[in-house]
Amino acid sequence: DVKVTQSSRYLVKRTGEKVFLECVQDMDHENMFWYRQDPGLGLRLIYFSYDVKMKEKGDIPEGYSVSREKKERFSLILESASTNQTSMYLCASSLSSFTNQPQHFGDGTRLSIL
Amino acid sequence: AQSVTQLDSQVPVFEEAPVELRCNYSSSVSVYLFWYVQYPNQGLQLLLKYLSGSTLVKGINGFEAEFNKSQTSFHLRKPSVHISDTAEYFCAVSEDYGQNFVFGPGTRLSVLP
Repeated sequence: DVKVTQSSRYLVKRTGEKVFLECVQDMDHENMFWYRQDPGLGLRLIYFSYDVKMKEKGDIPEGYSVSREKKERFSLILESASTNQTSMYLCASSLSSFTNQPQHFGDGTRLSIL
Repeated sequence: AQSVTQLDSQVPVFEEAPVELRCNYSSSVSVYLFWYVQYPNQGLQLLLKYLSGSTLVKGINGFEAEFNKSQTSFHLRKPSVHISDTAEYFCAVSEDYGQNFVFGPGTRLSVLP
């Protein structure tokens, strides 16, 4: 089974802090994704990556950046955290660029910005 | 670009009753369709997927879904639900030669004793 591991289940940070969310997958998947999930809005794509050192903006990239230095690891960075970034963050991976490949998700990080 | 609608934000149902969760999509090209389930405080888990072939797709936990191209729908069904099916369900679509998934807003299924 594919295992996608997010480093923290719960995280509390202060406004203005730089925040790192880490995600690791163990199945040599090419693609990795970061979403945020808010009630009534479903999942919204922040950034995704098709390969090492490669990144593409999703639907809501503002205020975020990402890093993929190794194939198995995809980091989401909040450059200067704000209260409107309080949310559930979900990492996912998929085998390849073919769009018929399902995405596999981690358990999520519930981030609170105070 | 594709979009996904899940008309029911909440569906309460009694244990052992049948349930249908509705999903409609819009796209001008061929699509792939997925249903995911999210239990409280967990990530999303794949229930089933339609890629091609038979329009009736069976998934895990007794769920099935039917792809209807003319109605652009992919409704999820289960003939008899259990308390443990209480969760949020997400429909997702990806376009052939497209880039990514688009998820619907989710339907919260509550199974009552």
